[in-house]
Amino acid sequence: GESVGLHLPTLSVQEGDNSIINCAYSNSASDYFIWYKQESGKGPQFIIDIRSNMDKRQGQRVTVLLNKTVKHLSLQIAATQPGDSAVYFCAESRHNTNAGKSTFGDGTTLTVKP
Amino acid sequence: EAQVTQNPRYLITVTGKKLTVTCSQNMNHEYMSWYRQDPGLGLRQIYYSMNVEVTDKGDVPEGYKVSRKEKRNFPLILESPSPNQTSLYFCASSHRTGVADTQYFGPGTRLTVL
Repeated sequence: GESVGLHLPTLSVQEGDNSIINCAYSNSASDYFIWYKQESGKGPQFIIDIRSNMDKRQGQRVTVLLNKTVKHLSLQIAATQPGDSAVYFCAESRHNTNAGKSTFGDGTTLTVKP
Repeated sequence: EAQVTQNPRYLITVTGKKLTVTCSQNMNHEYMSWYRQDPGLGLRQIYYSMNVEVTDKGDVPEGYKVSRKEKRNFPLILESPSPNQTSLYFCASSHRTGVADTQYFGPGTRLTVL
């Protein structure tokens, strides 16, 4: 079946370092990929997205890279801060076949050490 | 303020007692969806709705029903709850413009079925 998975369930970094969170997906028909951040006790919040016809997109302190050849995307957080500590999910959705279905990865817990 | 609201936020019930979790959004979004979140399993999609009177199954629809009679509301119905439906539930909505599908999540409903 289709799946979206993260390589590491936990990641610990020093404040000020860069963080890289990885995600693999299986469905070649995925059109759109999103990274969400979930803080304790809250619902997931949008961080950044990328369409399947792109390979890189940058936001404020975050960059998403998409490699369709190996079905892999990553989230890079520059100068990681304590407020970045959260669970990060990658998700994919499709807009043709099975439009409306969204699949989420299991999540990576990022801990930022002061 | 643009938001997705869910009620109740916490619910403890017993096996077999029908319950409804309400979800409402004030962003005029066409798309709404329900997810459940369980430890180690990420978010799994239960049902989604592309628009009023249009609903479809996600990955884990068994034991749940939904309805979409109005654009803003998307209630989740458990006709006969069982302990394996104990979980954290999230409602989400999005304005599907072309490929973009950024979902806005509610605060979550923690359900315990005894």
